[in-house]
Amino acid sequence: AQSVSQHNHHVILSEAASLELGCNYSYGGTVNLFWYVQYPGQHLQLLLKYFSGDPLVKGIKGFEAEFIKSKFSFNLRKPSVQWSDTAEYFCAVNANNQGGKLIFGQGTELSVKP
Amino acid sequence: EAGVAQSPRYKIIEKRQSVAFWCNPISGHATLYWYQQILGQGPKLLIQFQNNGVVDDSQLPKDRFSAERLKGVDSTLKIQPAKLEDSAVYLCASSFTGTGEAFFGQGTRLTVV
Repeated sequence: AQSVSQHNHHVILSEAASLELGCNYSYGGTVNLFWYVQYPGQHLQLLLKYFSGDPLVKGIKGFEAEFIKSKFSFNLRKPSVQWSDTAEYFCAVNANNQGGKLIFGQGTELSVKP
Repeated sequence: EAGVAQSPRYKIIEKRQSVAFWCNPISGHATLYWYQQILGQGPKLLIQFQNNGVVDDSQLPKDRFSAERLKGVDSTLKIQPAKLEDSAVYLCASSFTGTGEAFFGQGTRLTVV
């Protein structure tokens, strides 16, 4: 069965620190990859996506992610976090033969200290 | 552009009672999803509609959960009877592309006591 694993459940950083959140998935076929973010009190929203092409994708608010096919990974990065980045981050995978269904990781809660 | 609307935002019921959630997707989005998010876990797909037809309901506990999408627009998700383990946030999402890029509502937080 397909699965998505996020390496950290809770990450605490100080402002200006660099961020990397790990995500690995298990599926041998073609996938679309996503990071969704949920800010406190808000709905899940798309942070960035990878469908094909350049494996380094840039999203909103200075976030980027790198798809490494050989490692089945799609790690999220940001060079310098801000207090407003405090949120829960979800990695998700859509297998191309499954019509839009998303398999989510368990989420990583990021707390940024001012 | 209006987002995905869900109601109610919160619901507390006793076990064995029934409950229904409503979702209005973004206009023009043919695909509608219901996800269940248990505390500490990522969302899990319960059912996916394409217009008013069911595409995937493989993870829907059909003995107690049911869902319909009237006229390919609004959707309702019902639980009858509820169990304690149904306590979760129920998320509705809609999509235009069917690629996994979806827009989510605020969710309904259900507590079963």
